[in-house]
Amino acid sequence: NAGVTQTPKFQVLKTGQSMTLQCAQDMNHEYMSWYRQDPGMGLRLIHYSVGAGITDQGEVPNGYNVSRSTTEDFPLRLLSAAPSQTSVYFCASSYSAQANTGELFFGEGSRLTVL
Amino acid sequence: SQQGEEDPQALSIQEGENATMNCSYKTSINNLQWYRQNSGRGLVHLILIRSNEREKHSGRLRVTLDTSKKSSSLLITASRAADTASYFCAIITDNNNDMRFGAGTRLTVKP
Repeated sequence: NAGVTQTPKFQVLKTGQSMTLQCAQDMNHEYMSWYRQDPGMGLRLIHYSVGAGITDQGEVPNGYNVSRSTTEDFPLRLLSAAPSQTSVYFCASSYSAQANTGELFFGEGSRLTVL
Repeated sequence: SQQGEEDPQALSIQEGENATMNCSYKTSINNLQWYRQNSGRGLVHLILIRSNEREKHSGRLRVTLDTSKKSSSLLITASRAADTASYFCAIITDNNNDMRFGAGTRLTVKP
């Protein structure tokens, strides 16, 4: 099993550009989420999904969109990139629709720089 | 803020010593989890302790939870250089789908 796969691993954008970070899991997990990690601030939840067709906002959703058309995929879209979105982005999944009932499985991260 | 807060921010010890990291939080929780992150990698789940549990073991890891003090500790016994990593606690907020992480403790184990 590949687990949680994120692409791309590295990306440089110019301010105002848009892009999509891809996340796929092959564990048939109901729950998927996106976090961003910034130095000294830990991980902050951007958006999450408890199943196909269902998404919800986390702590820092502004500037990001998500969709969940299949169980496997949970892409994160940056609509108009800003330097404040320079960060490392992590996708995570869990077998349960309730994240607290089980462990989160994380991808290896996508490092985004916005110039 | 409803996230956990780890203490200390950084810890440096010699191989063979024990490492203790603490997590404090402010809200009621259903459970608390600890994760490890090696440099440049994703987080890996270590252990989950439920609110009705006081202590849990997994190999060289020992986690305690004191809900009256809203705190948890992670003890790594007989540390190894390979334990060098950042360690995060994660708590679940009221809606049960929103897992919040602290800023982490950066552990360095010197050989």
